[in-house]
Amino acid sequence: GAVVSQHPSWVICKSGTSVKIECRSLDFQATTMFWYRQFPKQSLMLMATSNEGSKATYEQGVEKDKFLINHASLTLSTLTVTSAHPEDSSFYICSARSQNSYEQYFGPGTRLTVT
Amino acid sequence: GNSVTQMEGPVTLSEEAFLTINCTYTATGYPSLFWYVQYPGEGLQLLLKATKADDKGSNKGFEATYRKETTSFHLEKGSVQVSDSAVYFCALSETMDSSYKLIFGSGTRLLVRP
Repeated sequence: GAVVSQHPSWVICKSGTSVKIECRSLDFQATTMFWYRQFPKQSLMLMATSNEGSKATYEQGVEKDKFLINHASLTLSTLTVTSAHPEDSSFYICSARSQNSYEQYFGPGTRLTVT
Repeated sequence: GNSVTQMEGPVTLSEEAFLTINCTYTATGYPSLFWYVQYPGEGLQLLLKATKADDKGSNKGFEATYRKETTSFHLEKGSVQVSDSAVYFCALSETMDSSYKLIFGSGTRLLVRP
């Protein structure tokens, strides 16, 4: 089946620094990738939708200048958390789908801790 | 707006017990409905889906029927196993939304004891 990887699986950074999370589709071309945030014991909250080669579409309430999303190729999307603060600590999950398919394939997630 | 509501967990069952996890939805159009499962340390996996009213999705012994009249998509399994222990998410996708973005319920943790 389709495989999506994320790197790193966990990261600890200091407040004020930036951290980049990668999402890769390993065996298919992902025309659309999604970034979610999951709080403990809570649901996945969609942050943004990105289509290859175009700007991401952010959900209401998500700061686009803080959460920079790049989808420069059909197999890679990155999420950069800029000037991270402790409240940005969370579990970030990406998913990907190919053209003409509704099904999303999920990465294993990245645990971000900001100290 | 669109939303998904599912029962809170954790749900704790003995092996071979019957499972029901309730899920109801609110949607403006005609959504597709999904159940995803997240095993410990792994990403979400699609468990089953239904794209129109009265459709029944099934996989690995799990079933769910798309009930438009009650706006529900309850997950059932006749005999659970320890290996079914995971978090289950109900989700919807508006068919009119070309991005196919998903709206998730809060998730229900299932613990199956031997």
